[in-house]
Amino acid sequence: EDQVTQSPEALRLQEGESSSLNCSYTVSGLRGLFWYRQDPGKGPEFLFTLYSAGEEKEKERLKATLTKKESFLHITAPKPEDSATYLCAAQGPSGYALNFGKGTSLLVTP
Amino acid sequence: SQTIHQWPATLVQPVGSPLSLECTVEGTSNPNLYWYRQAAGRGLQLLFYSVGIGQISSEVPQNLSASRPQDRQFILSSKKLLLSDSGFYLCAWNHRVGTEAFFGQGTRLTVV
Repeated sequence: EDQVTQSPEALRLQEGESSSLNCSYTVSGLRGLFWYRQDPGKGPEFLFTLYSAGEEKEKERLKATLTKKESFLHITAPKPEDSATYLCAAQGPSGYALNFGKGTSLLVTP
Repeated sequence: SQTIHQWPATLVQPVGSPLSLECTVEGTSNPNLYWYRQAAGRGLQLLFYSVGIGQISSEVPQNLSASRPQDRQFILSSKKLLLSDSGFYLCAWNHRVGTEAFFGQGTRLTVV
């Protein structure tokens, strides 16, 4: 069964303190690995798509990387406005569903 | 640019009452459409998807149904709500399988 596990569940950082969020997946024949940001009470906002091991994508203070078993979301010098829940989702070849992890709740304090 | 609209934003309904949530997409044609549910402490779960008008696939057996009467309109319904139907319902779209999906702002449904 396809599974996506995110760690840690919650992370508290001080402004400027860089860190990484982990997304482990067991999806054979990965079609795509997706990262989203979700603010409280809002729908997920798309960040990145990764398709193959070794691929990297960057946007402002965020950088996503992909290996054959996991993906990392690196946050460099975070700011309080980066506080949100970050969701990872993997899609296999067998259907339309995105298999989502439970997310990492990030809090960045001034 | 494409936009997705979902309403209402919040809804409180009694057990046994009917439900209708609507989602529309603007700025694109023939999108894949999706209904997800996000329950507390759980990841988003796909409920239904549609690749065209009148074409509905269900991922999880449940008390809900979906319809796609027009190309860019997707409706989630129930004849009689259960307490367990409470949750955060999200509509999404993408151009094709394997590409990023874009989500609406969601509907918070509380069944009392």
